[in-house]
Amino acid sequence: DAGITQSPRHKVTETGTPVTLRCHQTENHRYMYWYRQDPGHGLRLIHYSYGVKDTDKGEVSDGYSVSRSKTEDFLLTLESATSSQTSVYFCAIRETSGNTIYFGEGSWLTVV
Amino acid sequence: KQEVTQIPAALSVPEGENLVLNCSFTDSAIYNLQWFRQDPGKGLTSLLLIQSSQREQTSGRLNASLDKSSGRSTLYIAASQPGDSATYLCAGPQAAGNKLTFGGGTRVLVKP
Repeated sequence: DAGITQSPRHKVTETGTPVTLRCHQTENHRYMYWYRQDPGHGLRLIHYSYGVKDTDKGEVSDGYSVSRSKTEDFLLTLESATSSQTSVYFCAIRETSGNTIYFGEGSWLTVV
Repeated sequence: KQEVTQIPAALSVPEGENLVLNCSFTDSAIYNLQWFRQDPGKGLTSLLLIQSSQREQTSGRLNASLDKSSGRSTLYIAASQPGDSATYLCAGPQAAGNKLTFGGGTRVLVKP
């Protein structure tokens, strides 16, 4: 599992509240990613990071922000949660040698 | 923009039959291609990674091929078992470190 931990694993929150999801890795890989997975849309990239304080947008970045102040942590923040952000969120890392991508177990978010 | 397609979306086979899963991509400037497995309610598990300079990779009963000129990758699973039932996804980045583009996946059911 490449030492990836996501938290929280499950969360229910109210519309308009901020939410932060955390991805923690133990192996100092440079690249980290946040995806969301929805029926009919598959996996879509939200944001990714290629180093500490180096981040870039993916295809569905509106309403989301990220931060990476340490190599091991990549945070995804929903600034003001909406029902359309109800989804499963996956963190992934790209192995430094070999380029294999590994995923975390996912964070199930429900916005009511 | 890279587009990745997996057809069929679902597949049902009797136990023991060989599985052939297809993945097509539009841009041949693919850096590598990776196959994943996803069980219901779980994260993605990496199965095989094929570098652009390779034609195939094998792991146990799994064999994946890559043909950049035709924009295709195929995952073969020999002698399927009920435990192989899952959704299989392919994905590839266009350049080292770039974001993955995922196919929609093929949902496989292996009937005992």
